[in-house]
Amino acid sequence: SQQGEEDPQALSIQEGENATMNCSYKTSINNLQWYRQNSGRGLVHLILIRSNEREKHSGRLRVTLDTSKKSSSLLITASRAADTASYFCATELGSGAGSYQLTFGKGTKLSVIP
Amino acid sequence: DTGVSQDPRHKITKRGQNVTFRCDPISEHNRLYWYRQTLGQGPEFLTYFQNEAQLEKSRLLSDRFSAERPKGSFSTLEIQRTEQGDSAMYLCASSSNWNTEAFFGQGTRLTVV
Repeated sequence: SQQGEEDPQALSIQEGENATMNCSYKTSINNLQWYRQNSGRGLVHLILIRSNEREKHSGRLRVTLDTSKKSSSLLITASRAADTASYFCATELGSGAGSYQLTFGKGTKLSVIP
Repeated sequence: DTGVSQDPRHKITKRGQNVTFRCDPISEHNRLYWYRQTLGQGPEFLTYFQNEAQLEKSRLLSDRFSAERPKGSFSTLEIQRTEQGDSAMYLCASSSNWNTEAFFGQGTRLTVV
């Protein structure tokens, strides 16, 4: 079963605009990670936020985590055509739960129009 | 190239045949994971190794599936008596003990005809 659910399922924006994707999950987590996947390729890790963190930045990426609402958001600023990809959130329960597997959502398909 | 590599990249097989995939993780990574991804879905966890020990297995991993990591380095995933429902992308990932960021390979796309 998939714990994370991304919203929206698809997003189309113009180059230069910001893109926001949301993720909701069901159980307590150790950390939440965002990955990008270009069509038919492997996943690329973007950013990890731990359960005791609320916000994290990496370049044009900004991730927030609200553990009380069990939700996270990924903001990509000043989008580029090369950002076109599917974006997945993934949760990890961690050593406390004895599980290091990542549970992925279905992803948000982002299209950035030049 | 020091990334995660998977072989083959594509595999077409007839229903009922056995297939084996190989994954070479990043050399210093202790943890190795197998995931399966079908079209329009996110990856689903199959199994996890800590060095050579298989510590977690999903219920998705039926008795037709077996994974090994004999020396704690490369891993193989075998599917016996393949079924059309096994058609998917099989992804391997690795991570270190102190950083759970997972590095994924390009995947093996299996088509069962």
